[in-house]
Amino acid sequence: ETGVTQSPTHLIKTRGQQVTLRCSSQSGHNTVSWYQQALGQGPQFIFQYYREEENGRGNFPPRFSGLQFPNYSSELNVNALELDDSALYLCASSLALAGRGEQFFGPGTRLTVL
Amino acid sequence: EDQVTQSPEALRLQEGESSSLNCSYTVSGLRGLFWYRQDPGKGPEFLFTLYSAGEEKEKERLKATLTKKESFLHITAPKPEDSATYLCAVQGHYSGYSTLTFGKGTMLLVSP
Repeated sequence: ETGVTQSPTHLIKTRGQQVTLRCSSQSGHNTVSWYQQALGQGPQFIFQYYREEENGRGNFPPRFSGLQFPNYSSELNVNALELDDSALYLCASSLALAGRGEQFFGPGTRLTVL
Repeated sequence: EDQVTQSPEALRLQEGESSSLNCSYTVSGLRGLFWYRQDPGKGPEFLFTLYSAGEEKEKERLKATLTKKESFLHITAPKPEDSATYLCAVQGHYSGYSTLTFGKGTMLLVSP
């Protein structure tokens, strides 16, 4: 069984640039959620994808967008990067079962915005 | 709005010194309470899911319990390799989806 993988591991960007982060879900999982974790904080929910559609979103502006592909892998895109976007970005996959189910996390992508 | 508060923020133990971490929560429609372990710079590692008050789960030196308002993670005779940040999260149900709301975590350091 393959776990959740994310790429790249680290990324450095400058303010105003755009970035794309990638996630491959765990085998058999059909739902992908993205979280942002600032230093010293717990992860914060960005959005969730199920069957290639966004079906839930946290308090993040529209410049945070995503995609889910037929193989359930996913991308997180952030436009017009700001300094506060520097964080660990985590992808979690799960199998949607009547609204329950454990979420398994990838290793994360560390984004630094200068 | 769902809320999760973890205490203490940091805990330093001697090897073999048992203790408990607390997670207080408010959530509309609890679907589950989760405990994760996170090592520095890594993604959270799943430990337990608890679904109803009175439920308990164990794994090696860790035991998680759940009441209607809080959860405890008991660590018995910890070892230095148990040093990590422990995250608590609640899974709520919203219109069409469910997601996790996390606390800030408890940073545990176990000294030999």
